[in-house]
Amino acid sequence: GQQLNQSPQSMFIQEGEDVSMNCTSSSIFNTWLWYKQEPGEGPVLLIALYKAGELTSNGRLTAQFGITRKDSFLNISASIPSDVGIYFCAGFAGGTSYGKLTFGQGTILTVHP
Amino acid sequence: GAVVSQHPSRVICKSGTSVKIECRSLDFQATTMFWYRQFPKQSLMLMATSNEGSKATYEQGVEKDKFLINHASLTLSTLTVTSAHPEDSSFYICSAEGQRGQPQHFGDGTRLSIL
Repeated sequence: GQQLNQSPQSMFIQEGEDVSMNCTSSSIFNTWLWYKQEPGEGPVLLIALYKAGELTSNGRLTAQFGITRKDSFLNISASIPSDVGIYFCAGFAGGTSYGKLTFGQGTILTVHP
Repeated sequence: GAVVSQHPSRVICKSGTSVKIECRSLDFQATTMFWYRQFPKQSLMLMATSNEGSKATYEQGVEKDKFLINHASLTLSTLTVTSAHPEDSSFYICSAEGQRGQPQHFGDGTRLSIL
């Protein structure tokens, strides 16, 4: 089945630093999504990307849908302690509705004040 | 924005008990809902896809008689873990697909602990 390779698996950074994480796939996705999950809670949608090459920002977060449609990255600028959590990429391969998502393994982000 | 409510948030019960988890879309109609299981520090594992008014589609390796799913309305899906055992202890999360073209929104999960 389809798989998403997300890296890095974990990051330990200082407050104020920028963060970058990415997901790659061996197959094409039509939609890329980035979610953040905090302990004991469900994932929360951060950014949705619908077109190859699309670059979208949400506050300090920026994500891009790769031109090949096989990858996406998420950047967080000027990190703050509340950015701590697990970040997941997710892809949808096709069809007219969202249907099943394929998730990356997650990136655990720790921000030291 | 789209809100998905999941209840209960935490359940602790004895082995052999059946446990029902509810997933509701509060401000939109969800023709499709999804049930996931998540182990600590791991990704979400899709268990089944639930379509309103029809039988759920289970992923390979998920026992349909063990994890009963009912999607009786456009705003409610339930997952019942039947005769739960300690190995069923996990974090269960639902999500709902709202309007066509919109991404899935997730509930806050249910922490199930079987003693």
